[in-house]
Amino acid sequence: AQKVTQAQTEISVVEKEDVTLDCVYETRDTTYYLFWYKQPPSGELVFLIRRNSFDEQNEISGRYSWNFQKSTSSFNFTITASQVVDSAVYFCALSEASSGYSTLTFGKGTMLLVSP
Amino acid sequence: DADVTQTPRNRITKTGKRIMLECSQTKGHDRMYWYRQDPGLGLRLIYYSFDVKDINKGEISDGYSVSRQAQAKFSLSLESAIPNQTALYFCATSDRGSTSGRSTDTQYFGPGTRLTVL
Repeated sequence: AQKVTQAQTEISVVEKEDVTLDCVYETRDTTYYLFWYKQPPSGELVFLIRRNSFDEQNEISGRYSWNFQKSTSSFNFTITASQVVDSAVYFCALSEASSGYSTLTFGKGTMLLVSP
Repeated sequence: DADVTQTPRNRITKTGKRIMLECSQTKGHDRMYWYRQDPGLGLRLIYYSFDVKDINKGEISDGYSVSRQAQAKFSLSLESAIPNQTALYFCATSDRGSTSGRSTDTQYFGPGTRLTVL
């Protein structure tokens, strides 16, 4: 069965530090999507990125970057020069081709606290 | 205006009451979902629907029912609410559109409904 593990329950950093959020997944599918979502204190869930299993290129978007490694089944998320506004819970999620991409399996989330 | 709306945003009810949470979307997506979020447990899928005539149970459907009234509307009902159904409930939508034969499914979430059952 598919599974997503976010081993870091909570991370605290000081503003301007770099921080990496870990995500490890398990799946028997060879075709799947991986996602990251952000949940700020206001509670909504914001989509950040989708990566398909055929594309292992790293992606950078401003201060955000993602490192996808199939060899270690990991899809880690790095925030460079963190800011207070980055404080949120971040979820990693997996969607498999065998389910028609119909369902998302979420990790339990990592709470990031960025202090001034 | 938000693409995915949920009503009510907050609700306090009593054990045994019937309650309905509503979700509407203007994204034109055909797939809709209901999740609940509990502290430390992430999000868990309750029900999902691929179109008006297609309803599927998720991981934790017991105690819940749904209705897909139209492509844009998907309601979640608690027939007889109990305290352990106190949670944050999210509706989500996605598009089954595909590129090069592969689905580009991404789920977009509503703002959530905070439900408290006393």
